[in-house]
Amino acid sequence: EIVMTQSPATLSVSPGERATLSCRASQSVSSNLAWYQQKPGQAPRLIIYGASTRATGIPARFSGSGSGTEFTLTISSLQSEDFAVYYCHQYNNWPLYTFGQGTKLEIK
Amino acid sequence: EVQLVESGGGLIQPGGSLRLSCAASGFTFSSYEMNWVRQAPGKGLEWVSYISRSGSTKYYADSVKGRFTISRDNAKNSLYLQMNSLRAEDTAIYYCARDASASDAFDIWGQGTMVTVSS
Repeated sequence: EIVMTQSPATLSVSPGERATLSCRASQSVSSNLAWYQQKPGQAPRLIIYGASTRATGIPARFSGSGSGTEFTLTISSLQSEDFAVYYCHQYNNWPLYTFGQGTKLEIK
Repeated sequence: EVQLVESGGGLIQPGGSLRLSCAASGFTFSSYEMNWVRQAPGKGLEWVSYISRSGSTKYYADSVKGRFTISRDNAKNSLYLQMNSLRAEDTAIYYCARDASASDAFDIWGQGTMVTVSS
């Protein structure tokens, strides 16, 4: 099983500032990595796939980078609606998918 | 509107059985691979099961293998999860999720249905 480790567990950032979330895979997943946003009481929403491609309707302030075992989700100029929990997800080891434990992005 | 709507959750005693359903609309259901993903209260996401477009190929997480069965009815645009021998650790929100056509990321999720296993 590929283990996905996200850091930090909680990130406190002020609105308008930049947030950088990390995800590490226990073995290479190539670029087969997605990021999801989940708000309380809601289902996850796809933000990034292929490590760096924004999903339909996702604002340009969201960007993803990385390949292999190290990945980053960057949110530039945080808006109030961006505060949520973010999960990374590897789908390289299809279909034995695994998720990271999540990073909670909170208002500072 | 592309939509997935789960149903069938509820309170069930340990050892019991439950069948979840996921109704798809707004897209050609038979053209997409589908999954079940669960989330225990206050916890992260756990992939549970996968099914191919035709339903001929199925995979399961080790935690549910031998107890859960995924199936689909393309004529009814529906996905199912039969859950047997339920345990307390199966308590979670169960989401159905569509495999994106451009990747194997999950591009559409249902709102989830809560399953509580407790005596």
